[in-house]
Amino acid sequence: AQKVTQAQTEISVVEKEDVTLDCVYETRDTTYYLFWYKQPPSGELVFLIRRNSFDEQNEISGRYSWNFQKSTSSFNFTITASQVVDSAVYFCALRGPSGTYKYIFGTGTRLKVLA
Amino acid sequence: NAGVTQTPKFRVLKTGQSMTLLCAQDMNHEYMYWYRQDPGMGLRLIHYSVGEGTTAKGEVPDGYNVSRLKKQNFLLGLESAAPSQTSVYFCASRESVGPAAYNEQFFGPGTRLTVL
Repeated sequence: AQKVTQAQTEISVVEKEDVTLDCVYETRDTTYYLFWYKQPPSGELVFLIRRNSFDEQNEISGRYSWNFQKSTSSFNFTITASQVVDSAVYFCALRGPSGTYKYIFGTGTRLKVLA
Repeated sequence: NAGVTQTPKFRVLKTGQSMTLLCAQDMNHEYMYWYRQDPGMGLRLIHYSVGEGTTAKGEVPDGYNVSRLKKQNFLLGLESAAPSQTSVYFCASRESVGPAAYNEQFFGPGTRLTVL
């Protein structure tokens, strides 16, 4: 069975601190896809990144970076120099190989960045 | 290009009432999904559709019905609303062609439903 665990329910940091959001997944598929979404207080879901199981390169986009490690089944998300606008709920999601329709979401991590 | 839209944005129902939530997408996506979001439980899949005229059950389908009569629309129905169906409902869609397996879902803005 597939499963996504985001053990951190809520994290509070002070602005400019770095913060890492953890995502641990379980799957028996050799091909799979991982995603991160952001849900700001306004409520919409904003896509941040996707990663397939064959690409273990870390990715950096501005202040955001993602660390994918198959050995530990983790796909962690780091925000460097956090800002108040980063305050949101962040979801990690997993999908199986081509032909798989369902996405498995974690329960989300609420990040509060305090000024 | 409006993306994924949902109607209505908010609704309050009494127990036993029925209603239909409408999801529309203008991206010509084959796959569409309905999720509910509850505090501490993330997004849970209710029903999904892989094409016009097809639907399938997700993780929490009880108490809901769906229809996909047109490719661009995916309707979620509550026949007899219960307080346990108080939630935020999200619709999503995604492509099925090209590097399809690599594609993310596009989400609508959500519908906040309260059942009293």
